[in-house]
Amino acid sequence: QVQLRESGPGLVRPSQTLSLTCTVSGGSISSHRFSWSWIRQPAGKGLEWIGHLYATGRTSYNPSLKSRVTISMDTSNNHFSLMVNSVTAADTAVYYCARVTGNALFQSWGQGTLVTVS
Amino acid sequence: SYVLTQPPSVSVAPGQTARIPCGENNIGLKSVHWYQQKPGQAPVVVVYDDSDRPSGIPERFSGSNTGNTATLTISRVEAGDEADYYCQVWDSSTDHYVFGTGTKVTVL
Repeated sequence: QVQLRESGPGLVRPSQTLSLTCTVSGGSISSHRFSWSWIRQPAGKGLEWIGHLYATGRTSYNPSLKSRVTISMDTSNNHFSLMVNSVTAADTAVYYCARVTGNALFQSWGQGTLVTVS
Repeated sequence: SYVLTQPPSVSVAPGQTARIPCGENNIGLKSVHWYQQKPGQAPVVVVYDDSDRPSGIPERFSGSNTGNTATLTISRVEAGDEADYYCQVWDSSTDHYVFGTGTKVTVL
């Protein structure tokens, strides 16, 4: 049973860089059966897809965030990471990482981590 | 860009049927997934590939997808079904993943 866990600072200053890591256990992020995504959810609002990482290292980003976002993988530690540059209060949200199956299903999710920009 | 429109809220009495639409032009040509999210929790898959159910999800949850609307149906609604529900697709033309705007289901 795969498990995902987000980690990183809960408080980030405006204009700084938000950095989060998703540690995966029970499965390899190098497996071509799956891909990996970051999603966020501001308080009281809906889910927003941030970006995606394929086992090949190829990435895809939400156009609304693309200029500020980088997603990368560390296969030696079996985790993948999110960086969001130049954050503002609008980036305050619960951030989730998820494993995505070949039919684009967000099958497994981390518990989420709250990041506050202030 | 792809936008999946859902009603903000649906109210239903216990034992009745809740239907949650998810609209976009020609969504019937895509595979739609549905997630349930309860307060303070991560989303959970309730229906995938338009109408399939993961193991452990009650048969009361079903889905359909045709034309411009995908629909999640919850039959014989129970108090425990009260949650937010989101549809989701992958847009192959852009390689972007899209979530619906979300629907809060309230059990009266």
